[in-house]
Amino acid sequence: GAGVSQSPSNKVTEKGKDVELRCDPISGHTALYWYRQSLGQGLEFLIYFQGNSAPDKSGLPSDRFSAERTGGSVSTLTIQRTQQEDSAVYLCASSLAPTGGTDTQYFGPGTRLTVL
Amino acid sequence: GDSVTQMEGPVTLSEEACLTINCTYTATGYPSLFWYVQYPGEGLQLLLKATKADDKGSNKGFEATYRKETTSFHLEKGSVQVSDSAVYFCAFLKAAGNKLTFGGGTRVLVKP
Repeated sequence: GAGVSQSPSNKVTEKGKDVELRCDPISGHTALYWYRQSLGQGLEFLIYFQGNSAPDKSGLPSDRFSAERTGGSVSTLTIQRTQQEDSAVYLCASSLAPTGGTDTQYFGPGTRLTVL
Repeated sequence: GDSVTQMEGPVTLSEEACLTINCTYTATGYPSLFWYVQYPGEGLQLLLKATKADDKGSNKGFEATYRKETTSFHLEKGSVQVSDSAVYFCAFLKAAGNKLTFGGGTRVLVKP
């Protein structure tokens, strides 16, 4: 079946501009995650959505970052007033239903963001 | 705090050689342990996992055993192929948590 999809695959933007990154999780997966992969910081958790519960935003690096998930499916990660340090690959993952910490997260191909 | 330590690469070896990538973790409780692999130009893929002590995860000739006493989850393969060239990430997921904590990744290059 279809995996996690993300768009765009590449995004180049100028410093100070806003960007939106999209994630389509695997159908039927109730949990959705955003991570960031950068040279200096490795793989970092950003935010987690589970069903209709309030999201876990504990990994967002600043208030310029926000995310929403509409209808329990598609998610959009928004970065306002982008900075050069925001350059990274943004990864989305989804899982069937977190149960006691054994659930497998399936990752999308990522969006490579370059801020000039 | 919670963390994963894995050997730094790059690891360069010849085809049919044995591969071991060490991974140790620091976490409270009894997390589930994962190895993810990232092939060149591709996204992260689950390679194998283990959810409790002494469990062995295996896939594509790779194996890793959950060692609670040493908080380790070393990845092994007895005979690597050129197609195994990739970056390998060790990670854990806590029982009461939702986020994966990753190690820094180990780049492996297998030469023919």
